[in-house]
Amino acid sequence: NAGVTQTPKFQVLKTGQSMTLQCAQDMNHNSMYWYRQDPGMGLRLIYYSASEGTTDKGEVPNGYNVSRLNKREFSLRLESAAPSQTSVYFCASSPNSSGGRDTQYFGPGTRLTVL
Amino acid sequence: AQSVTQPDIHITVSEGASLELRCNYSYGATPYLFWYVQSPGQGLQLLLKYFSGDTLVQGIKGFEAEFKRSQSSFNLRKPSVHWSDAAEYFCAVGAWGGSYIPTFGRGTSLIVHP
Repeated sequence: NAGVTQTPKFQVLKTGQSMTLQCAQDMNHNSMYWYRQDPGMGLRLIYYSASEGTTDKGEVPNGYNVSRLNKREFSLRLESAAPSQTSVYFCASSPNSSGGRDTQYFGPGTRLTVL
Repeated sequence: AQSVTQPDIHITVSEGASLELRCNYSYGATPYLFWYVQSPGQGLQLLLKYFSGDTLVQGIKGFEAEFKRSQSSFNLRKPSVHWSDAAEYFCAVGAWGGSYIPTFGRGTSLIVHP
């Protein structure tokens, strides 16, 4: 049982390049999330998916797109990377489709640098 | 909408000393409250959570937290800190209805001196 896995672990991009961050969970969870973590800012929600086939914007969605490919996988795409997107990105999942009482399970993170 | 404040950006303690990390929340009803820990280079892991009932909650690694409705607080405590407790600690508040995604505080970095 691997939990939540993320690839890649590290990535360096040049401004304007595109890339996709991959996330998968093997816990049969309904909800999945993408966060970014910046020093002094805590975790900020980029997008989330309450169930397969649905996605919603979070606090900081600009410059990102997501795809809930199936129940297991939730990818985050940067179409044209900018230095402001340099951050650590975390994927998380939780069991249910609604309710703020769910524990979230986090992946190990992707450290992205945009030059 | 709910919000959460962690007033301390950094806390430094000596190994063996007691610890209290502060968390204050804003929400109109009884919230769901969480503490997560992030070790260096790792993702977040749940320490403990409060939904209802006993206001003193026990978690993993010897941590506990107390929900105080009158003070809108959910402070995390440990009687004796170990060097391995050095990490980033996040308080989060969740709610039913509206935005059901838990809101995270900005985190408190714990430094442990030998």
